[in-house]
Amino acid sequence: DIQMTQSPSSLSTSVGDRIFITCRASQSISNYLNWYQQKPGKAPKLLIYSASSLQSGVPPRFSGSGSGTDFTLSISSLQPEDFATYYCQQSYSAPLTFGGGTKVEIK
Amino acid sequence: EVQLVESGGGLAQPGGSLRLSCAASGFTVTNNYMNWVRQAPGKGLEWVSVIYKGGSANYADSVKGRFTVSRDNSKNTLYLQMNSLRAEDTALYYCARDPSGYFDWSSNRYLYFYMDVWGKGTTVTVSS
Repeated sequence: DIQMTQSPSSLSTSVGDRIFITCRASQSISNYLNWYQQKPGKAPKLLIYSASSLQSGVPPRFSGSGSGTDFTLSISSLQPEDFATYYCQQSYSAPLTFGGGTKVEIK
Repeated sequence: EVQLVESGGGLAQPGGSLRLSCAASGFTVTNNYMNWVRQAPGKGLEWVSVIYKGGSANYADSVKGRFTVSRDNSKNTLYLQMNSLRAEDTALYYCARDPSGYFDWSSNRYLYFYMDVWGKGTTVTVSS
């Protein structure tokens, strides 16, 4: 199984900050990497697919990069509605696996 | 509107069974890979199973042999039959669509992409 390791596990930051969340796969997954946002009591929401493609309706302050084993989610200017938990997920092979999550909190 | 609505969750005893449903609207389940993903209380996301367009399925090792995914094309509904339930199966269960997955004949493997539509989930609690 492919293990997905996210860092940091939590992040305390301020509105307007730029943040980076990293995700590392235990083997090469090409660009089969997705990012999801989850708010408390809500279902996950797809933000980025295929490592760098922005899902329709997602603000352009979200961006993704990487290939192979190392990936990054960036939020260019954090907005109040961005405080949430973010998960990466590999879609290279089954079993599909998620990272452990990064909780982004208000400082 | 494209939508997924799960139902069927509840309280089950260890060793018991439950059947979850996921009703789709706005699209056809047979034209997509359909996944089940669960989230234990306070924990992260765990993929459970997928049913492919052709009707075959794949499962996480943690549920293999105990859970069975199926669908009713006439009702456009996905199911998860959960048998031999354990306390560690306690979770919020989501169904989610992968609209782009397909079988690649050149590599002889299923290709997965992303989950773009999710339901709100149904809660399963396994406890005596």
